[in-house]
Amino acid sequence: GAVVSQHPSRVICKSGTSVKIECRSLDFQATTMFWYRQFPKKSLMLMATSNEGSKATYEQGVEKDKFLINHASLTLSTLTVTSAHPEDSSFYICSANLGTGGYEQYFGPGTRLTVT
Amino acid sequence: QKEVEQNSGPLSVPEGAIASLNCTYSDRGSQSFFWYRQYSGKSPELIMFIYSNGDKEDGRFTAQLNKASQYVSLLIRDSQPSDSATYLCAVNMGNDYKLSFGAGTTVTVRA
Repeated sequence: GAVVSQHPSRVICKSGTSVKIECRSLDFQATTMFWYRQFPKKSLMLMATSNEGSKATYEQGVEKDKFLINHASLTLSTLTVTSAHPEDSSFYICSANLGTGGYEQYFGPGTRLTVT
Repeated sequence: QKEVEQNSGPLSVPEGAIASLNCTYSDRGSQSFFWYRQYSGKSPELIMFIYSNGDKEDGRFTAQLNKASQYVSLLIRDSQPSDSATYLCAVNMGNDYKLSFGAGTTVTVRA
């Protein structure tokens, strides 16, 4: 159980374009999902908390207009990187909480974004 | 002061030895503690969680928690080359369901 998928696994886009990343909980309903980014050899950086049916809560310093998060159903959250620039190139990882009272998060496999 | 601190390593151990990883946290009210393993280029994988003081064993892994000292550790017994990875300590500090992550300790198991 507790399987989280992400799509796409890798994406290359041109500067100025937008990219959407999907995060799905496959065998459970996830009221709360999280979006992280990770630069090479660095730790995880939480970008935002995504709550089903409500607006995402962004961490300090994360531009909500640049990183659009939508959590339209209990099994799907999306992150859209708008007007991407080379500095947005990173490893984006989502996670989900089971919602059964525990605090453990289960991570998706990640999406490697390269902006040229 | 960082919320969750780990030695960055690298920690190099011979195959078959015990790898000992340490983690300290700043919020005394923290209640839930997690260890994740992350292979290079992959996403983190949950390997252990612990909520109560003392030891918790799962296979070759043992998590140890001491809330009075604000300290949580992970022991890997009979280390295997496949254990070579970065191990992330994570703590829930009561701020909804968010986890605070340490920077990770890189472990290398020498064959």
